Amino acid sequence: EDQVTQSPEALRLQEGESSSLNCSYTVSGLRGLFWYRQDPGKGPEFLFTLYSAGEEKEKERLKATLTKKESFLHITAPKPEDSATYLCAVQTNSGYSTLTFGKGTMLLVSP
Amino acid sequence: DAGVIQSPRHEVTEMGQEVTLRCKPISGHDYLFWYRQTMMRGLELLIYFNNNVPIDDSGMPEDRFSAKMPNASFSTLKIQPSEPRDSAVYFCASSRDGNYGYTFGSGTRLTVV
Repeated sequence: EDQVTQSPEALRLQEGESSSLNCSYTVSGLRGLFWYRQDPGKGPEFLFTLYSAGEEKEKERLKATLTKKESFLHITAPKPEDSATYLCAVQTNSGYSTLTFGKGTMLLVSP
Repeated sequence: DAGVIQSPRHEVTEMGQEVTLRCKPISGHDYLFWYRQTMMRGLELLIYFNNNVPIDDSGMPEDRFSAKMPNASFSTLKIQPSEPRDSAVYFCASSRDGNYGYTFGSGTRLTVV
């Protein structure tokens, strides 16, 4: 069974304090790993897709990286507006088109 | 583009009542997904459609749940009869070809009392 585990469950940072969120996965064959951002009361918003180990994607203060067992979402010098829940999801070769999500990391950035 | 549109945004109903959730996907997207989100279990796939045809409904928890997609621009998720444990946020998402990130709607928060 495909499994996606995110850590920590919650993270509190001061503005400007860089950190990383972790997503570890156990799947039969990874087709792609997705990162989403979810604000309270809203649906998840797509951030990145990573397809192979060693791949990196960047968007503003966020950088996602991928290894064969896990992905990291690095947040550099975060701002309060980066506060949200970050979700990781995997798409596998057998579960074509569908995404299996982790439970997310709730990030709070204080000014 | 208005994005994925779900209605209603909030639904409060009594146990035993029928509930119908609605979704309008993005035009041109061939895939439509229904997910349920709870604190305990996170986001869970219930069912998905490709070109209006249900492909995988293994995530539908019970026979009380049913979903339809009569055309490319509309889908419904029905719960009959509803139970308190069905309380959750239900999301609809669509995708152009299934290979890329989904676009989610804003969800329907369902409360069954």
